[in-house]
Amino acid sequence: ELKVEQNPLFLSMQEGKNYTIYCNYSTTSDRLYWYRQDPGKSLESLFVLLSNGAVKQEGRLMASLDTKARLSTLHITAAVHDLSATYFCAVVPSSGTYKYIFGTGTRLKVLA
Amino acid sequence: DAGVIQSPRHEVTEMGQEVTLRCKPISGHNSLFWYRQTMMRGLELLIYFNNNVPIDDSGMPEDRFSAKMPNASFSTLKIQPSEPRDSAVYFCASIPIPTYEAFFGQGTRLTVV
Repeated sequence: ELKVEQNPLFLSMQEGKNYTIYCNYSTTSDRLYWYRQDPGKSLESLFVLLSNGAVKQEGRLMASLDTKARLSTLHITAAVHDLSATYFCAVVPSSGTYKYIFGTGTRLKVLA
Repeated sequence: DAGVIQSPRHEVTEMGQEVTLRCKPISGHNSLFWYRQTMMRGLELLIYFNNNVPIDDSGMPEDRFSAKMPNASFSTLKIQPSEPRDSAVYFCASIPIPTYEAFFGQGTRLTVV
């Protein structure tokens, strides 16, 4: 069974600081996605990573994928309060089932 | 495109009643997924369809849950009879090939009392 784990589950950080969220998965995959969810809202796509070594950046967020290590990271640079949200990674296995499995989520709170 | 449309946005029902949640995916997308989100269990995949065909319903918790996709523009998730533990936010997601980037609806918040 495919498992997708994120850590940390909760993250409280000061504005201006850097931090990294990790996403580990248990099966072969070369498709990984990051989503953001604000409280009471739906999920919004942030990044689509479709190959080993893929790196995407948008503002203060940068995502990368290492398919050999089965690891993706979401790096936050100089955090601001507006980044407070829950971040999810999601994986589609290479087995062809197209089963889209989400990680546990990381709840980020950026303190002013 | 208006995006993925779910209805109703909120539903409060009594235990034992039938509940039907609806989803209209984005035109041209090949796959549709139903998820349930709770604080305790996170985002759970219930069932997904490719080209209107159910592919994997192993996440459907019990026989009380059923889902259909009669055509490319409409899907339903039905709970009969509903129970308080079914209270959650139910999302559908519309997914195109080949990027497989998920586009979520606004969700239906279900409360069973």
